[in-house]
Amino acid sequence: EAQVTQNPRYLITVTGKKLTVTCSQNMNHEYMSWYRQDPGLGLRQIYYSMNVEVTDKGDVPEGYKVSRKEKRNFPLILESPSPNQTSLYFCASSWTGGEKLFFGSGTQLSVL
Amino acid sequence: KNEVEQSPQNLTAQEGEFITINCSYSVGISALHWLQQHPGGGIVSLFMLSSGKKKHGRLIATINIQEKHSSLHITASHPRDSAVYICAAYNNNDMRFGAGTRLTVKP
Repeated sequence: EAQVTQNPRYLITVTGKKLTVTCSQNMNHEYMSWYRQDPGLGLRQIYYSMNVEVTDKGDVPEGYKVSRKEKRNFPLILESPSPNQTSLYFCASSWTGGEKLFFGSGTQLSVL
Repeated sequence: KNEVEQSPQNLTAQEGEFITINCSYSVGISALHWLQQHPGGGIVSLFMLSSGKKKHGRLIATINIQEKHSSLHITASHPRDSAVYICAAYNNNDMRFGAGTRLTVKP
């Protein structure tokens, strides 16, 4: 089954404790991206990747890192999380960004 | 002013009604996406448009590139259509989202 697998589904952590949210797709898509969703602000793009070893900043990259060492995986790294990064995060993939997007099930992150 | 504007913000309809959700954008685009987000939070892609019109079941999406406007129509609406509908403008790997339209369809 074609899918984007995102883990964990829920995460509660404390300020400053490094964390990684994983994202994996099994469709051989070249394009992968991360978004955060906040009440009143909607969805905003954090980072995207056009292919292996090619990543670029989206609208709100501050405080986040990504890597694309393999085509299928695109982890989101918060080196030193802060409370303003409490949000609902989504990973997505597609052949290109202009093609149909497949979303992961989301990660609800709370930073205390 | 947001680069991608949706209207209405909230919409309540009776089962069977014809529904239209509008999306206007001020940026250049190579594609426009319509997404559906159910109360559980998951997001599903409904359509990707670069021109014209697409239809899938009871859903129809249209886009007018010259007027920078897209519409999502739902015919014979059903309570299971209740969700948040989001349009997203894509250009050069950059994705800009509308704030979403919360649709409630009552039986």
